[in-house]
Amino acid sequence: QSALTQPPSASGSPGQSVTLSCSGTSSDVGGHDYVAWYQQHPGKAPKLIIYEVTKRPSGVPDRFSGSKSANTASLTVSGLQAEDEADYYCTSYAGRETRWVFGGGTKLTVL
Amino acid sequence: QVHLEESGGGLVKPGGSLRLSCAASGFPFSDSYMSWLRQAPGKGLEWVSYTSSSGSAKYYADSVKGRFTISRDNAKNSLYLQMNSLRSEDTAVYYCARGDYIAVTAWGQGTLVSVSS
Repeated sequence: QSALTQPPSASGSPGQSVTLSCSGTSSDVGGHDYVAWYQQHPGKAPKLIIYEVTKRPSGVPDRFSGSKSANTASLTVSGLQAEDEADYYCTSYAGRETRWVFGGGTKLTVL
Repeated sequence: QVHLEESGGGLVKPGGSLRLSCAASGFPFSDSYMSWLRQAPGKGLEWVSYTSSSGSAKYYADSVKGRFTISRDNAKNSLYLQMNSLRSEDTAVYYCARGDYIAVTAWGQGTLVSVSS
């Protein structure tokens, strides 16, 4: 049972937008602005695509955007492309005791 | 070019020990927080441990606290994870990573640890 809740799957057609959710609590997502998102293709190491809720590392397309409302963080992928098909994981800082929590991941399928 | 390369994984019996190593290059290692994360076969990501740039602060997930020890040698640009009292549920690919809960900006390719009798 992951600390953060992500839907196991999502899908969209090329060119469409899809939003992935990440639900936590006031102790993690809602209480801190340290939400990050990682993309992982099969057999590969994860890649950082969003950090501190909304920031994009250099090299990550602006088709990827992050946001947060209360205890839920979201990752929006606009203009879906075939290479966006991957697993997406959200993480959050969770305070001095728990420190770091992860979601179970969402498998994004590009139809 | 940032590069992280793990070594030391393998098959070990329950209750056994392993020491993972990570060789880092291409970035200021001694200025970087470093982490170990893992991913069980077919499962999601889980953080294991992370340490401050100097190594003075170390944090562990509850699932490994008291059994695993993270350490680093900044002179050798190396990160380590000593794993004792291994359990079947520790079976996973272990990733060495640059960063912590704020952002993990680089990952190694991972090393597989299998705990089985």
